[in-house]
Amino acid sequence: AQSVTQPDIHITVSEGASLELRCNYSYGATPYLFWYVQSPGQGLQLLLKYFSGDTLVQGIKGFEAEFKRSQSSFNLRKPSVHWSDAAEYFCAVGAKGGTYKYIFGTGTRLKVLA
Amino acid sequence: SAVISQKPSRDICQRGTSLTIQCQVDSQVTMMFWYRQQPGQSLTLIATANQGSEATYESGFVIDKFPISRPNLTFSTLTVSNMSPEDSSIYLCSVAEGDTEAFFGQGTRLTVV
Repeated sequence: AQSVTQPDIHITVSEGASLELRCNYSYGATPYLFWYVQSPGQGLQLLLKYFSGDTLVQGIKGFEAEFKRSQSSFNLRKPSVHWSDAAEYFCAVGAKGGTYKYIFGTGTRLKVLA
Repeated sequence: SAVISQKPSRDICQRGTSLTIQCQVDSQVTMMFWYRQQPGQSLTLIATANQGSEATYESGFVIDKFPISRPNLTFSTLTVSNMSPEDSSIYLCSVAEGDTEAFFGQGTRLTVV
């Protein structure tokens, strides 16, 4: 069955500390992979995406993610977290060819301590 | 990227009533979708809104409960019918064009009392 797992429901980090949010997927075909961020009362904003090519992708706001096919993972990282990064983060997978029937993980809520 | 406007942004409704949510895009898009995000849950695709034809619903969602219209390439509505407290969720409109990522509106936060 197709699924996306974000093992960490909540993560708390101090401002300036590094961050890694985990995402594992189960998908029959070669997936498109995405990380979205949702701030309180806001819609989803795309942080970064992986379609093909270089497995380390750079996104907005200083985020990056690495696709590891052997581990079926697409973890999100940031070297130094800012207080404004506090939000909920969703990993999603979709099929190649743009069917857009995304499967979302359950999300990781990030809290940043001053 | 497409700019998506959803109305209303939030509403509190009585059980048994219906609410229609509007989604307006600033450009013509081929694909429009409606998602539901229940409290503390992830997003679940409700249906694909097809221009000029009936929407395509995902398993567990039916047209009688969630009728969808898509009269043109920039606009769609989702109605949540005969609401119950279990329908309290955030409903998000999403659009896509070509082989790229999907974009999301800011969502409609619905509370049914």
